[in-house]
Amino acid sequence: DAKTTQPPSMDCAEGRAANLPCNHSTISGNEYVYWYRQIHSQGPQYIIHGLKNNETNEMASLIITEDRKSSTLILPHATLRDTAVYYCIVRVALSGNTPLVFGKGTRLSVIA
Amino acid sequence: ETGVTQTPRHLVMGMTNKKSLKCEQHLGHNAMYWYKQSAKKPLELMFVYNFKEQTENNSVPSRFSPECPNSSHLFLHLHTLQPEDSALYLCASSLGQGASGETQYFGPGTRLLVL
Repeated sequence: DAKTTQPPSMDCAEGRAANLPCNHSTISGNEYVYWYRQIHSQGPQYIIHGLKNNETNEMASLIITEDRKSSTLILPHATLRDTAVYYCIVRVALSGNTPLVFGKGTRLSVIA
Repeated sequence: ETGVTQTPRHLVMGMTNKKSLKCEQHLGHNAMYWYKQSAKKPLELMFVYNFKEQTENNSVPSRFSPECPNSSHLFLHLHTLQPEDSALYLCASSLGQGASGETQYFGPGTRLLVL
């Protein structure tokens, strides 16, 4: 799987949009971009994933650049409960199950 | 709730004890995983099971012994652990039917302390 680069930490004011960047310059054509988050001492929580097109669900939006070398996770209205470590993972889409490889992620602190 | 449950949530054991961690998923998935998360380290994959068959053992010491009796249950049997094995142990599941880019859903984890 390709490696990803994320800033170690970010702050965001409550109610504002949180934009979390991720670089994956060596991504291959069949690799998905996944985002998970982990609130302190809990299991990781799936947020969103995409291949080429931008994606949106009830939790967040995922913007993938046209060259697919970077992406941004957007939490439109951050709350204190969004404080967590956010992981950007690039994963080969093989047949069968492929494990997730977690990096260090970005620690997002939402501030009141 | 993700549909993946783990018991116990917290466990303290001595180095000579034998204990088991249990994971159960209610999602109809066929693939299950054990991950380990030590303090200030990224998650590390330990074992993967697909349709009850172990498909990956990520060089895990033999004092950790997994068991998958059916697609809904996964156990991690522990014996003669070391203090450095203290960590958060996470279970996950996914469809496991060859779906491209399938999503893994995690349980809440078992916080293990080895004394």
